[in-house]
Amino acid sequence: DAKTTQPTSMDCAEGRAANLPCNHSTISGNEYVYWYRQIHSQGPQYIIHGLKNNETNEMASLIITEDRKSSTLILPHATLRDTAVYYCIVSKVKFGYALNFGKGTSLLVTP
Amino acid sequence: SAVISQKPSRDICQRGTSLTIQCQVDSQVTMMFWYRQQPGQSLTLIATANQGSEATYESGFVIDKFPISRPNLTFSTLTVSNMSPEDSSIYLCSVVEQGAFFGQGTRLTVV
Repeated sequence: DAKTTQPTSMDCAEGRAANLPCNHSTISGNEYVYWYRQIHSQGPQYIIHGLKNNETNEMASLIITEDRKSSTLILPHATLRDTAVYYCIVSKVKFGYALNFGKGTSLLVTP
Repeated sequence: SAVISQKPSRDICQRGTSLTIQCQVDSQVTMMFWYRQQPGQSLTLIATANQGSEATYESGFVIDKFPISRPNLTFSTLTVSNMSPEDSSIYLCSVVEQGAFFGQGTRLTVV
């Protein structure tokens, strides 16, 4: 599976959009991009995934560049409960199997 | 989505003893995964457990230290054997069923 690079930490004001970038420059054509988050002391939670097209669900939007070498997770109206570590993961298998967690981005949403 | 119950949620154990962690899923799943999350670190895959076969361990993890059982399609256990303070971590089980789902984890402290 391709490696991902994320910023270590980010801040966002409550109510504003949080844009979390992820670089996956070595991604291959059949690899999916997944986003999970881990709120303190809880198990990771699935957010969204995509292959080529942009995706949106009730939690977030995923924007994948045309060359697929990077993506951005967008939380449109961040709340304090969105404070968590966000993991961008690339996997060949749809829905993944064993996920290779990197260090992720620690997002702090402030009042 | 799969619902995973993991027990115990936390424990404090004496060094040299063993602890068995249980993972119960509300549906039948082929593969179950065990992860370790050391303090301040990301998740690391320990092993993959398929029903009816031996678990497959990742590099750095061995069966004698982390024996796994998978007696049926809804249940698995992970034992942390002959514990030392370095085994203090959060241990999580995970299943993939149209997405990856995680238990809430077992916070283990070895004293």
